[in-house]
Amino acid sequence: GAVVSQHPSRVICKSGTSVKIECRSLDFQATTMFWYRQFPKQSLMLMATSNEGSKATYEQGVEKDKFLINHASLTLSTLTVTSAHPEDSSFYICSARVNEQFFGPGTRLTVL
Amino acid sequence: TQLLEQSPQFLSIQEGENLTVYCNSSSVFSSLQWYRQEPGEGPVLLVTVVTGGEVKKLKRLTFQFGDARKDSSLHITAAQPGDTGLYLCAGEGSNDYKLSFGAGTTVTVRA
Repeated sequence: GAVVSQHPSRVICKSGTSVKIECRSLDFQATTMFWYRQFPKQSLMLMATSNEGSKATYEQGVEKDKFLINHASLTLSTLTVTSAHPEDSSFYICSARVNEQFFGPGTRLTVL
Repeated sequence: TQLLEQSPQFLSIQEGENLTVYCNSSSVFSSLQWYRQEPGEGPVLLVTVVTGGEVKKLKRLTFQFGDARKDSSLHITAAQPGDTGLYLCAGEGSNDYKLSFGAGTTVTVRA
């Protein structure tokens, strides 16, 4: 149990385009999901907390207009990277919490 | 979010040896979790410790939570090449369930 999926697993896009990443809890409902970013050889950095039915809360230094989060249902949260630039290239990981946090497999974003 | 100090940053040992990874903080956590991450994948939960002084064993892995709930350790006995990976500790805040991650320990077990 407690399986979290992400789609797509890998995406390459041109600078200036927007990219949407989906995070789904497959066998449980999650009122709270989290989005992280991980750069090479580094640990996970929390970007925002996604709450079902309400606005996401962002960590300091994370631009809410650039990283749009929508938690449309108890099993789905989406992260949209708007007007992506090469510096947004990273490994994006979501998690869903039911007693503990369970992580998705991650999405590798490369912006050319 | 609070800061977790994880040490060592890198650990390379021979198969069959033991190893210990430490996770320390000046803050108290409601729980502390240990994850293992393979390259290009998400972290996989190994264990959650909740009670100060708690010790949990998972086959060859032993996890301890300090009495004050500020620090933890992971000990692997008779390491195998399959134990190779990035080990992450993460403390959970009591109010918002946010996880603060340590910097990670890259463990390499040589055959």
